Amino acid sequence: SAVISQKPSRDICQRGTSLTIQCQVDSQVTMMFWYRQQPGQSLTLIATANQGSEATYESGFVIDKFPISRPNLTFSTLTVSNMSPEDSSIYLCSVDAPGVGEQYFGPGTRLTVT
Amino acid sequence: GENVEQHPSTLSVQEGDSAVIKCTYSDSASNYFPWYKQELGKGPQLIIDIRSNVGEKKDQRIAVTLNKTAKHFSLHITETQPEDSAVYFCAASKANTGFQKLVFGTGTRLLVSP
Repeated sequence: SAVISQKPSRDICQRGTSLTIQCQVDSQVTMMFWYRQQPGQSLTLIATANQGSEATYESGFVIDKFPISRPNLTFSTLTVSNMSPEDSSIYLCSVDAPGVGEQYFGPGTRLTVT
Repeated sequence: GENVEQHPSTLSVQEGDSAVIKCTYSDSASNYFPWYKQELGKGPQLIIDIRSNVGEKKDQRIAVTLNKTAKHFSLHITETQPEDSAVYFCAASKANTGFQKLVFGTGTRLLVSP
């Protein structure tokens, strides 16, 4: 399976600021995904990022709040903009794998907004 | 859209016992059903998956069964060990349709006591 790293692993941020989370994969992948996991909850897809095209956002998530970049086949960033305490969550990136439908997850970024 | 329900929310067993976690899905077009294990402070790890053309799949102490008619699938862990303690998530997707979105269940916290 692909080796996925995320930076930062955790951060504490002040209300109104923005944080950019990086996701790096050790091999080229077609699709990268960003999920949010609120404390003690399940995973919710924020958006799907394909290289060379605009990210596709799920209902309830907008580009102004969660801008995403996908400059190449091994890297993506998610920015959480104008943060509020409600944005405190684990943010996870995942990538598609050779097996159709399979996804592998990174370790996550634990964000606390004060 | 797809909706995945998962039960139970918590499950406590003694070491050596079996554990069963059940999920139901709503979209009959879903054809890929993975299970993830998430340990504290880590990202979800894919442990086993099943596709709609298969009724059962085993990998050592874990197995997954799928009933397409009833639209439910289950994770079975035999001879549980303390290291099996984690949160387990089921998911469903319509793989190979160009729409790889995973919809997750709400999670089951499994505690295996020595």
